[in-house]
Amino acid sequence: DTEVTQTPKHLVMGMTNKKSLKCEQHMGHRAMYWYKQKAKKPPELMFVYSYEKLSINESVPSRFSPECPNSSLLNLHLHALQPEDSALYLCASSQEEGGGAVYEQYFGPGTRLTVT
Amino acid sequence: RKEVEQDPGPFNVPEGATVAFNCTYSNSASQSFFWYRQDCRKEPKLLMSVYSSGNEDGRFTAQLNRASQYISLLIRDSKLSDSATYLCVVTTTDSWGKLQFGAGTQVVVTP
Repeated sequence: DTEVTQTPKHLVMGMTNKKSLKCEQHMGHRAMYWYKQKAKKPPELMFVYSYEKLSINESVPSRFSPECPNSSLLNLHLHALQPEDSALYLCASSQEEGGGAVYEQYFGPGTRLTVT
Repeated sequence: RKEVEQDPGPFNVPEGATVAFNCTYSNSASQSFFWYRQDCRKEPKLLMSVYSSGNEDGRFTAQLNRASQYISLLIRDSKLSDSATYLCVVTTTDSWGKLQFGAGTQVVVTP
């Protein structure tokens, strides 16, 4: 079962709001990822967690704050976003990350975020 | 120059026909290669990994040409459900966790 779930599916928030996106996988994967995807563009990597530790931050603004409470869960906390942050936010997981091997990444259905 | 380049298409393909398209990559240290498909407003889904010897999965065949630094995807007997954007994805030896995405090739299968 290659399932990654994300909630909520849609989110509309104002620029002063605080909200969180959630991602869960039960495949025993030890690496989890956040991506941002704008219309007609490929996904852009934001963060990578490996064994529950942040291993890659692609210079993402601090208004995006990731959290990995355990190996199955990944959150993205949002605060003081801008309208240009409106996008599809995708979570992905893979068996592992790094160590000289490459593992396929499996994506969740995404959260479509609109910032007003 | 982009690290991964794809013809954006669209490739308009009659149902039952064969379509093939390529993806070129610029980094000779690229190590792993994948094809993902993405339907409109959906998440990317792994279609297949691409191995050095080439590989086939049903109607889909992927090839890797390291000398010319490109990978290809061929779809035989196209179905209407094959209509999607096909994303070429590459990783390099120094950034295993980072997928380099191409911009995607749109395929439209018509009745």
